[in-house]
Amino acid sequence: DAGVIQSPRHEVTEMGQEVTLRCKPISGHNSLFWYRQTMMRGLELLIYFNNNVPIDDSGMPEDRFSAKMPNASFSTLKIQPSEPRDSAVYFCASSLWGGRAEDTQYFGPGTRLTVL
Amino acid sequence: AQRVTQPEKLLSVFKGAPVELKCNYSYSGSPELFWYVQYSRQRLQLLLRHISRESIKGFTADLNKGETSFHLKKPFAQEEDSAMYYCALTGGGAQKLVFGQGTRLTINP
Repeated sequence: DAGVIQSPRHEVTEMGQEVTLRCKPISGHNSLFWYRQTMMRGLELLIYFNNNVPIDDSGMPEDRFSAKMPNASFSTLKIQPSEPRDSAVYFCASSLWGGRAEDTQYFGPGTRLTVL
Repeated sequence: AQRVTQPEKLLSVFKGAPVELKCNYSYSGSPELFWYVQYSRQRLQLLLRHISRESIKGFTADLNKGETSFHLKKPFAQEEDSAMYYCALTGGGAQKLVFGQGTRLTINP
C-alpha cells in the first residue's frame, strides 16, 4: 500500500484563485482527516469524516474553505477564493476507525500551498 | 479546552546523552496521549501512545496525570533520533488530534 496519497505536492497560485487539494486514504480506512500546518499555529485539525460523512468541521477557518468526501477513496479540500494567509502545508490522514485509543492516524506527505 | 504545550521549540543534545522532550496538556477528562515524529523528508508518523505503555526505538513516555505531563525520554540519544517531535492528545471519544507546536531535536555527533 502506498499509504495516504495527496496531490498536488506543491501548489503556487495567485490570490483570488480557487485551489483544490486532493487526498486518497488508505484502502479500508473509515476515517479521514484534514490538517493545516503553519509556523504560527502549528498543526491544527480542519475537518474529519467518518464513512464519508463530515463529523466535525469546527476547525475550518471560514466559508472560503470547503471539504467533500464523495466516496471512501477520495476527498477534496477547496479554498475559494484563496488568500496569502492560506499559505501552509495541508495534510490528509486516515485511520481505520477513529475514536479508539488503539487507532493510528496515517498521514500523507502533505501539500505545500503558496498563495501569492 | 484541550491544549498541548511543548515548551521547547529546539533541543540539541550530544550522541549518547539522555534526552527528554517535554509535553504538558490541558484537558478536563481522561485524555489519550501520543507522540508523533517526522524525520527529514518523511511523513509524520506515530511514535508511541500512552495506552500501549511500550518502548519504541528506545523512547518511553509516562502519563503523569497529577502534573498533566507526558514527557518523552530516551536514555542514550542516537544521531538517527534527529527529527521533529509532536505531542498530541484526544479525549472523550473524540477523534480529533490536538497537537503541540513541536520540538525539533538535533543529536550532535
